[in-house]
Amino acid sequence: EPEVTQTPSHQVTQMGQEVILRCVPISNHLYFYWYRQILGQKVEFLVSFYNNEISEKSEIFDDQFSVERPDGSNFTLKIRSTKLEDSAMYFCASNKGPTEAFFGQGTRLTVV
Amino acid sequence: GIQVEQSPPDLILQEGANSTLRCNFSDSVNNLQWFHQNPWGQLINLFYIPSGTKQNGRLSATTVATERYSLLYISSSQTTDSGVYFCAPPEANNLFFGTGTRLTVIP
Repeated sequence: EPEVTQTPSHQVTQMGQEVILRCVPISNHLYFYWYRQILGQKVEFLVSFYNNEISEKSEIFDDQFSVERPDGSNFTLKIRSTKLEDSAMYFCASNKGPTEAFFGQGTRLTVV
Repeated sequence: GIQVEQSPPDLILQEGANSTLRCNFSDSVNNLQWFHQNPWGQLINLFYIPSGTKQNGRLSATTVATERYSLLYISSSQTTDSGVYFCAPPEANNLFFGTGTRLTVIP
């Protein structure tokens, strides 16, 4: 069964460093998303991506964040200069359109 | 934006018991998903249920879009059902997650 895969599963980084979180969406999906979940809190939308551009972003997704689809399969989230408060679980998701979205297993980011 | 309220926030069940989790939402929606977040943090798709009722094994879900609520039924609960259950209706083209119901099933 096709699935969304994310790497790495866990990343520890020093404050101020850049991190790139990677995702491989389901191959025939067209819409890609990043969400985050701070420990013990609910899942929050960050950004959606369609047709090689951002289609929507939340207030959380500020200039420190960027997304890219560098090739036909990968979808990445970059955090330019990490802060302690960026520590969270980051989920990638994809779907074909306004239909069921499928989530990856998440990357737990710890900023120290 | 849309408001989503899930109840109860916490639930402790004896193994074998049944339960009903509720999700109320403020706006009319054309789809809704239920997820189970397991103790390892993974989000598992349970149901994509714009309206009506669906069943999958011991779980079933009902969405009444006109009355702005959805219900998740868990029957004959097992310890592996423990975790957090989220409902997520759409906001724009994305999902807006509720705060979840934390379920603990004790043997």
